[in-house]
Amino acid sequence: GNSVTQMEGPVTLSEEAFLTINCTYTATGYPSLFWYVQYPGEGLQLLLKATKADDKGSNKGFEATYRKETTSFHLEKGSVQVSDSAVYFCALYTGRRALTFGSGTRLQVQP
Amino acid sequence: GAVVSQHPSWVICKSGTSVKIECRSLDFQATTMFWYRQFPKQSLMLMATSNEGSKATYEQGVEKDKFLINHASLTLSTLTVTSAHPEDSSFYICSARPIAGGPHEQFFGPGTRLTVL
Repeated sequence: GNSVTQMEGPVTLSEEAFLTINCTYTATGYPSLFWYVQYPGEGLQLLLKATKADDKGSNKGFEATYRKETTSFHLEKGSVQVSDSAVYFCALYTGRRALTFGSGTRLQVQP
Repeated sequence: GAVVSQHPSWVICKSGTSVKIECRSLDFQATTMFWYRQFPKQSLMLMATSNEGSKATYEQGVEKDKFLINHASLTLSTLTVTSAHPEDSSFYICSARPIAGGPHEQFFGPGTRLTVL
């Protein structure tokens, strides 16, 4: 079956540090890949997506590249801000009814 | 736009009672809504998919008689946890797919934390 594995958190960084959150997946077929972000007290929001191999999704300074050869979709940001503190979920979609999520990684950015 | 609300945001109940959780799409219509359950430090697990006007489709291992789902309108789905027990304590999240949205497009509610004593 499909699955998504994320690095465990929390990830604690200082403001302006470089961020990487690892995500690898197992799926049948050719999934679309997503990163969702959940700010405190809010619902999950789509951060970025990539629908085919070598695509790069980007939004708000975050980037992730769909790597089929390593089945990965790592999230990166060059300079994090305190406002980026949230829980980040990697997810995939293969055409079944719903998304398959990773366990989430909490990011804490300190001023 | 594309806001989904859930009510209540948290609820505490006694073992054996039933609890209803509402999921509303506030500014769009949704033919499909999803219900997820999330345990601490674990991923969101899909419980069921509900389509407006028809019976919900439950994932394997989810008791449909325990988790009653109703999707009576294009903006409202409800999840009722019947005869709740402490093991039902969890974080329940709904999402809604807009009528005109892509197959993977979903907007999520903020979740409902259920604690069963």
